[in-house]
Amino acid sequence: GQQVMQIPQYQHVQEGEDFTTYCNSSTTLSNIQWYKQRPGGHPVFLIQLVKSGEVKKQKRLTFQFGEAKKNSSLHITATQTTDVGTYFCAGLRYTGNQFYFGTGTSLTVIP
Amino acid sequence: EPEVTQTPSHQVTQMGQEVILRCVPISNHLYFYWYRQILGQKVEFLVSFYNNEISEKSEIFDDQFSVERPDGSNFTLKIRSTKLEDSAMYFCASSRSAAGGGEQYFGPGTRLTVT
Repeated sequence: GQQVMQIPQYQHVQEGEDFTTYCNSSTTLSNIQWYKQRPGGHPVFLIQLVKSGEVKKQKRLTFQFGEAKKNSSLHITATQTTDVGTYFCAGLRYTGNQFYFGTGTSLTVIP
Repeated sequence: EPEVTQTPSHQVTQMGQEVILRCVPISNHLYFYWYRQILGQKVEFLVSFYNNEISEKSEIFDDQFSVERPDGSNFTLKIRSTKLEDSAMYFCASSRSAAGGGEQYFGPGTRLTVT
């Protein structure tokens, strides 16, 4: 079945350090979305990537979609305590209408 | 800013009982979803709904589950005979366009506890 894995599962960083989470799919994806979930909260949409090799930036966040459309990454530059939460990727296959969420990366930022 | 709302925020029920979880999607959205998240785990797709019918469902969404849009605003998830393993956070989401084209707005969730 469809598998979407993320590494690392947990990441602790000092405030100001960079952070990257990687998302890998077992199958080629039509597109991929990224969500952030604060502790006790609900997933909040961050970005959608559609094209092979696409790179998008949102302030300190950089999102990439791999050339083969099977992997993606989220990089945060100079983390802040407000970045704390779990980051999920969610991939959509070419067939069907459901997003397969990744296993998530929980980010802790130490002030 | 418009938001998805869900009620109740927490539901405790006994095994074998029926529960109905309620959601009010954003008013001009056309696509509706239910997801569940077992504590500390990933978000799992249950079902998508468009034009008054199920457009896709996962293996989790078996005969014990059903969805309805009883009126123009509510979207409900019913679990007929709850099991202990149904304990989870259930999120409703809606989007303006189909999954391939748009962001999903998630509600705050209903925490279901089956005892």
